[in-house]
Amino acid sequence: GIQVEQSPPDLILQEGANSTLRCNFSDSVNNLQWFHQNPWGQLINLFYIPSGTKQNGRLSATTVATERYSLLYISSSQTTDSGVYFCAVSKAAGNKLTFGGGTRVLVKP
Amino acid sequence: EAGVVQSPRYKIIEKKQPVAFWCNPISGHNTLYWYLQNLGQGPELLIRYENEEAVDDSQLPKDRFSAERLKGVDSTLKIQPAELGDSAVYLCASSLGTSGTDTQYFGPGTRLTVL
Repeated sequence: GIQVEQSPPDLILQEGANSTLRCNFSDSVNNLQWFHQNPWGQLINLFYIPSGTKQNGRLSATTVATERYSLLYISSSQTTDSGVYFCAVSKAAGNKLTFGGGTRVLVKP
Repeated sequence: EAGVVQSPRYKIIEKKQPVAFWCNPISGHNTLYWYLQNLGQGPELLIRYENEEAVDDSQLPKDRFSAERLKGVDSTLKIQPAELGDSAVYLCASSLGTSGTDTQYFGPGTRLTVL
């Protein structure tokens, strides 16, 4: 099956800092989503981004499908950005998302 | 618009006991998913429904796990009997269409502890 690798596995930030999270995947995909799992376990969809660039407030994402990677940018980080960020992809119709291992982010005040 | 609803939020049972989880997807969403999330890992798909039909249950341990989605709306996931290794968070998600390119929306999950 498709492999999804996320880096770095852990990230500690000072409030206000910027950061970049990376997701590499092993095959072509037709669906790529970024999720944030908050400390209470709720998974929130951030972006549906199989290709191109999107921005939502302080977050933005870019997927270069031909090179099989996606980047999530967090600017001016806040303590509420803490949690685990997951990248998930699916290869074909059917929408079986395969999740990466996540990047655990801690933003310190 | 209400999100995906799951109950119970927490469940503690003894091994060999049965347990059931309930999910109500977002209204109008045709596709429903059950995922299992072990501590420190990403979710893994157990079963996917398109309306009433289970179209992908290849990862569901069928000797002890079962699921149903009556009338293509609510769904129930059951484990009987539960084992210690079943302790995890069980997540339900839904999406609008069945094309394979839809955003998935997750419920808050049910945290199962098997003693």
